[in-house]
Order: sequence, then C-alpha cells, then structure tokens
Amino acid sequence: ETGVTQTPRHLVMGMTNKKSLKCEQHLGHNAMYWYKQSAKKPLELMFVYSLEERVENNSVPSRFSPECPNSSHLFLHLHTLQPEDSALYLCASSHKNGLAPGELFFGEGSRLTVL
Amino acid sequence: GDSVTQMEGPVTLSEEAFLTINCTYTATGYPSLFWYVQYPGEGLQLLLKATKADDKGSNKGFEATYRKETTSFHLEKGSVQVSDSAVYFCALSPPGGSYIPTFGRGTSLIVHP
Repeated sequence: ETGVTQTPRHLVMGMTNKKSLKCEQHLGHNAMYWYKQSAKKPLELMFVYSLEERVENNSVPSRFSPECPNSSHLFLHLHTLQPEDSALYLCASSHKNGLAPGELFFGEGSRLTVL
Repeated sequence: GDSVTQMEGPVTLSEEAFLTINCTYTATGYPSLFWYVQYPGEGLQLLLKATKADDKGSNKGFEATYRKETTSFHLEKGSVQVSDSAVYFCALSPPGGSYIPTFGRGTSLIVHP
C-alpha cells in the first residue's frame, strides 16, 4: 500500500455510539493531521501530531479524541456525537521540515453521518 | 496572522474556456504556496506549488506564478475540460516556522460540455 489510507470510508452512527476513524500513512512522514470538511464551510483543522508535539484547535469539542501511537498511524475516537458532526473527515500527512513543509498528502476521507 | 483569500464560487465555464481562479495571501516573509484540487468524493491532492517569488508551478495544464509584489498566486488553465470540475484550494505554508498550512475556503469549478 502507498500514500495515506483512511478507514472506514463511510460510517453511520447514532448519537450514543462510540466509533473510531483510522488513518495510516506509508510515506515516511513525521506529521499527521485531522481535518473536518462540512458543506459550505472552510476546511477546519482539528488536530496535528508531529514528533514532539500535538497541536489542537481549541474549538473542537471533547467528544472528538485523537490518538497517535506512532508516526504512521492516527486515530480519531468519536463518542456521543451530534448530528452537526456529520461531515467528511480528512487525514493528511507531511514532512515537518524540508523544502516545502506544509505540503500535505491527504487520504480520501471518512464520510461520517450521525443520526 | 496568515490568511488566504480565494474568489467566491462556483465558477461555471464551458469546455475549452480559459480559467482563472484568483488567490491572494497575507503572510510575513516568503511563504510556500500551493494549489490543491478535490475531485468529487475524494480527498485533496496537490496540484502544483511554488516555493519562492517568481516561481511558476505547473501540472496537468494548470499554472500559477508566485507574485510577491501583489501577494498573489492565481491559478490558470488555457482550455478546461469537463474532467476539471472540482473544488480548488489555495494554501500557504509560512517560512522557517510553522509547518501547518493555511487554506483558503476553496473555489468550486463546474465545466459544462
């Protein structure tokens, strides 16, 4: 496998469920990101993990919980979500340093529907 | 802080028309600049980039030139195809500091046959 792989591609969950989104990158990158993409809204950065740090958007509700066990894997744990959390969740990775830091490689996204 | 401003969409064109999608930015120093494209049902993918002033990025017939004097990075294509229908995002990455890019809101392009 190459690139950035996200699973599942589609997820439907009730507001009381607990589920997780998974992201895996095979590019040797040292930074991984979660973005939320809602219809007619800007791309929203949720969390970033790199070698030494975690960056988070303070506006993200605590019902979203990230986990990064190593530099190749990233999870987004979901619990007691609301219908407005329905969106496309995109994972990305990049080199933290180099000629063009900030050049991101995205997965195809996980489409989440909260009923 | 850094910011990226893109023209509002959707942009609707006929096949073989000329495309321009405007992008201007605010940042200190010389950021790296990017255009990403998102086809329906997919994630974003890098279309082209430029890392210093006057550089021209190009890919798949698309071009953008890094203009420091006007703080712009407009995307152009001479003849669009139906398959170019997608959402286009302009982004910047500041120099020597944060590796986390700043994205514009995206511009939807619809190309009719």
